[in-house]
Amino acid sequence: SQQGEEDPQALSIQEGENATMNCSYKTSINNLQWYRQNSGRGLVHLILIRSNEREKHSGRLRVTLDTSKKSSSLLITASRAADTASYFCATSGNTPLVFGKGTRLSVIA
Amino acid sequence: EADIYQTPRYLVIGTGKKITLECSQTMGHDKMYWYQQDPGMELHLIHYSYGVNSTEKGDLSSESTVSRIRTEHFPLTLESARPSHTSQYLCASSEWGGTGIGGNTIYFGEGSWLTVV
Repeated sequence: SQQGEEDPQALSIQEGENATMNCSYKTSINNLQWYRQNSGRGLVHLILIRSNEREKHSGRLRVTLDTSKKSSSLLITASRAADTASYFCATSGNTPLVFGKGTRLSVIA
Repeated sequence: EADIYQTPRYLVIGTGKKITLECSQTMGHDKMYWYQQDPGMELHLIHYSYGVNSTEKGDLSSESTVSRIRTEHFPLTLESARPSHTSQYLCASSEWGGTGIGGNTIYFGEGSWLTVV
């Protein structure tokens, strides 16, 4: 299975702090994507990093990818209460995207 | 913003009833998917399609069936609903191409919450 596994399962921080979530996977990939899911809603794509990239930025988001360790991290800087959501990584190879269990982030105002 | 729509958003039905969850996208995407997700839990791929007349089963065995007669439409049907089918069903789509079959960004609908009593 190409399913990614996020760590930690849950994270609670104060507004303004940085939040870091990790994703590990088992097989070779073409790319890795991060998604956000607000409670009771569908998932929203945040960022995609290709297997030949090591770091990517988008606004307050920073994603790293280490293919030798089969791991990725998502950093959200200067977190806001609106960042409270579940975050999922998804890996792709030759089959449709498979999602991990997600990290539930709570940002306390 | 994704142009993918699911109806109904919320549904409560009795055991044994037949139900069809509708999913439509206006982005012209060839690939469409159905995921099942219990509250606070991971997503499980139950069906996907690469285009018209193409349907495949996903990683999680499901008693539901799907059809893809038109590019924009990918309905999911439960012939006889049971309480174990209570869950959120998420429809999604993506473009064909990119780096590998699963390489492109997936756009999700808002989900259909099904409760079987």
